[in-house]
This record gives sequence, structure tokens and C-alpha cells, in this order.
Amino acid sequence: DIQMTQSPSSLSASVGDRVTITCRASQSIRNYLNWYRQEPGKAPDLLIYGASSLQTGVPSKFSGSGFGTDFTLTISGLQPGDFATYFCQQSYSAPYTFGQGTKLEIK
Amino acid sequence: QVHLVQSGAEVKKPGASVKVSCRVSGYSFSDYYIHWVRQAPGQGLEWMGWMNPKTGGRSDSGDFQGRVTMTRDTSISVVHLEMSSLTSDDTAVYYCARGGGACTNGVCYDYWGQGTLVIVSS
Repeated sequence: DIQMTQSPSSLSASVGDRVTITCRASQSIRNYLNWYRQEPGKAPDLLIYGASSLQTGVPSKFSGSGFGTDFTLTISGLQPGDFATYFCQQSYSAPYTFGQGTKLEIK
Repeated sequence: QVHLVQSGAEVKKPGASVKVSCRVSGYSFSDYYIHWVRQAPGQGLEWMGWMNPKTGGRSDSGDFQGRVTMTRDTSISVVHLEMSSLTSDDTAVYYCARGGGACTNGVCYDYWGQGTLVIVSS
């Protein structure tokens, strides 16, 4: 199975800040990488697919990059609704494993 | 509008089975795979498997020792996930999710069910 490792596990930031979350795969997954945001008690929402493609309806403050084993999610202009947990997922080969999550908290 | 609506919470005893349903609407049932993902309390997301509603083809992660069965009823646009021989480790919220068309291989989840809490306790 492909292991996905996110860093950091938690992150404190202020409204208006720009943050970056990293996801590393245990082997190359080309650009088969998705990012989701999950608010407490809710299902995840798809933000980015194919490492850098913005899901329809997702604001351009979210951006993704990377190829192979190293990927990043950048969120600019943090708003209160952005303080949630973020997960990466590899869609290269089954089982389609997720990272352990990064909890973004208000400083 | 696309909706995935799941069945309600369940409380089961160890060793029992549970069946979770996911009813889809707002699109053609046969056009998109349904995947299952679970989340234990306070934990991350665990991919469980997928079902092709058109053919009935399915595959699970292999981590469930044959305890997972996925079926569908095309007449009412419902996909089921059944898990047997439950233990306390199976206590989790179970989500169905639609494999989206935007991503190359359909493995990105653009719509999710609301989740079904399954509690396994004696």
C-alpha cells in the first residue's frame, strides 16, 4: 500500500494568513493526488484533484502543486471557515489511502 | 442537484453485522462509481472500497478479511455496504462518496453522503 504522510499534523494561523500543508507519498503517484477539507461533524469536501486542478466552485485562494512524491496545498487569505482539517488522498492505486490529516486552528 | 443520502445510525453488538445504505439522486445512477470511506472517532479517513453501479463490479481494500460486501439495487438507486463480524474497532462514521468525473480515473469524491455512525458495543 502507498503511505501518505502529511505535515504538519496541526497548524495555528490567523485570519488573513497564508499557509502551506505538505503531503508526501511513499512512492511516486505522478499527479494522482486529491485534497479535501473537513469541518467537524461534516463529510469532507473536495478542493483539489490531479494535484493542482481546482474543483468546481472552490475559490482560487486554494492552490495545489507537486508531482511524484511531494505535494503542497496552499491556502491564502484565511477566513474563519477555513479553520478545519485537511486531508490528502492518493488516487494512483488501490487502496486509495489518505494522509493522517492536518488540523488548521485559529491562533 | 446531486444528493447522497445514507441510512441512520446503528448500534450493534460485537460479532453482529450491519448494513448501511446510500441512496443517490440528481444524476444517472449508473454513470459514477460509489466509494466507501470510514472515519473512526477522532481519527483520519480510511478508504474501504468501490462499487460500479452499472455492472455491480466491486473491490474492497483487502483490510477487512472478507467481512465487507457491497451491493446495489438499481431500481431505487441505492448502494449498500454490509460488514459482518463487527468488533469495537469498526466503530466509525461510514461515508459513501461519488467518484467524480472531473478527475482522470474517477477517484476523487465530489459528492458525499452525510455519514452513518455505527457503534459496536456490548
